[in-house]
Amino acid sequence: QVQLVESGGGLVNPGGSLRLSCAASGFIFNDYYMTWIRQAPGKGLEWVSYINSRGGTIYYADSVKGRFTISRDNAQSSLYLQMDSLKADDTAVYYCARDVSYNYYVSGNYYNGHYMDVWGKGTTVTVSS
Amino acid sequence: SYEVTQPLSVSVALGQTARITCGGNNIGSKNVHWYQQKPGQAPVLVIYRDSNRPSGIPERFSGSNSGNTATLTISRAQVGDEADYYCQLWDSTSCVFGTGTKVTVL
Repeated sequence: QVQLVESGGGLVNPGGSLRLSCAASGFIFNDYYMTWIRQAPGKGLEWVSYINSRGGTIYYADSVKGRFTISRDNAQSSLYLQMDSLKADDTAVYYCARDVSYNYYVSGNYYNGHYMDVWGKGTTVTVSS
Repeated sequence: SYEVTQPLSVSVALGQTARITCGGNNIGSKNVHWYQQKPGQAPVLVIYRDSNRPSGIPERFSGSNSGNTATLTISRAQVGDEADYYCQLWDSTSCVFGTGTKVTVL
């Protein structure tokens, strides 16, 4: 069945680095865009980053821009998030999700939309000394 | 950046109808998606593109979007519907989540 499994979380000192991985199975990985989303303890969902199917288009939330790097290996059906210069505020459960991209037409204009139809169970990142 | 607002909590009597709103400037011009998250679990997509249900989601879940408000409606609410619900949309080059609404079934 369709499945996403994150790994690589753990405890890291402020200023340190961590690399998260997400292994995909049950679907054609290179047909889909992918997204990382995080959730701090007791808080809501926060989008982190997005990568298109070939890795040519990447976006980041302002909160992680310049510190995090998203990438993918379609041959390995894997998604990655390299996290550098980590801060206490980065403490969260990190989810990878399959991103469905589409175009829609409203009031004479075309727009691009995205939603996440499959989520992993998440991996926990704790930034603390 | 685009901002959306959700009520912190909504209470509904067992078997009645719960409505969860997601407010934003002219949000009716955007597609809104909804996720359900139960404690300790990953979010689950319950409504996409304003009013579409993924396979496996009960017909009791429905969505609408017009003007400045998108709404997730849960009909005949059950104890199992107790969860946090998040709206989400895509704005230009970023994904925006609502603040989340905790639904309690009384």
